Amino acid sequence: EVHLVESGGGLVQPGGSLRLSCAASGFTFSSYSMHWVRQTPGKGLDWISYISSGSGTIYYSDSVKGRFTISRDNAKNSLYLQMNSLRAEDTAVYYCARQTHFDYWGQGTLVTVSS
Amino acid sequence: EIVLTQSPATLSLSPGERATLSCRASQSVGSSLAWYQQKPGQAPRLLIYDASNRATGIPARFSGSGSGTDFTLTISSLEPEDFAVYYCQQRSNWPPLTFGGGTKVEIK
Repeated sequence: EVHLVESGGGLVQPGGSLRLSCAASGFTFSSYSMHWVRQTPGKGLDWISYISSGSGTIYYSDSVKGRFTISRDNAKNSLYLQMNSLRAEDTAVYYCARQTHFDYWGQGTLVTVSS
Repeated sequence: EIVLTQSPATLSLSPGERATLSCRASQSVGSSLAWYQQKPGQAPRLLIYDASNRATGIPARFSGSGSGTDFTLTISSLEPEDFAVYYCQQRSNWPPLTFGGGTKVEIK
């Protein structure tokens, strides 16, 4: 059974940093592209980043480009999101999701940016 | 960026009724459109991909249709567990991948 489990969320001050992790199991992680998607409390869904199966192709949304860095470790079946220069508007639940039609999602981890 | 517009914002129906949800794209996305269901406190769940293909384990009462710019998600007979928010998403022209604003299906 496919499982994606995010961790690393929490409360951080504006300008601070946080690193999210997504642990994958139940499938051949190295064969699949992965994404990060976020959801502002009470609002809709926003795609923020993509990484190909071998890390050769990476994309970001304009809202996080230059501040966030996506990476993966296929040996550890893990996906990461390094978030720097955090802003209040980055407050959201962050989900990792598998491949481009998001067939599996994690349960999400809440990031709150506030002083 | 492709903008997806979902309508209506809220659909008030009774169990057993048919639900018809619309998603319109600002430019053609071919058949590269997916539908998701989200319940409170849960992650979204893939229902339909490539406009009309049901995802694994999705009941046959859910169906998707359309191509180009106009798409429909139909729930043939609403079950109590179907009351939720539904989102469409395109993967035709990206980045960015984009989602619609959602349709809430509520109990009348």
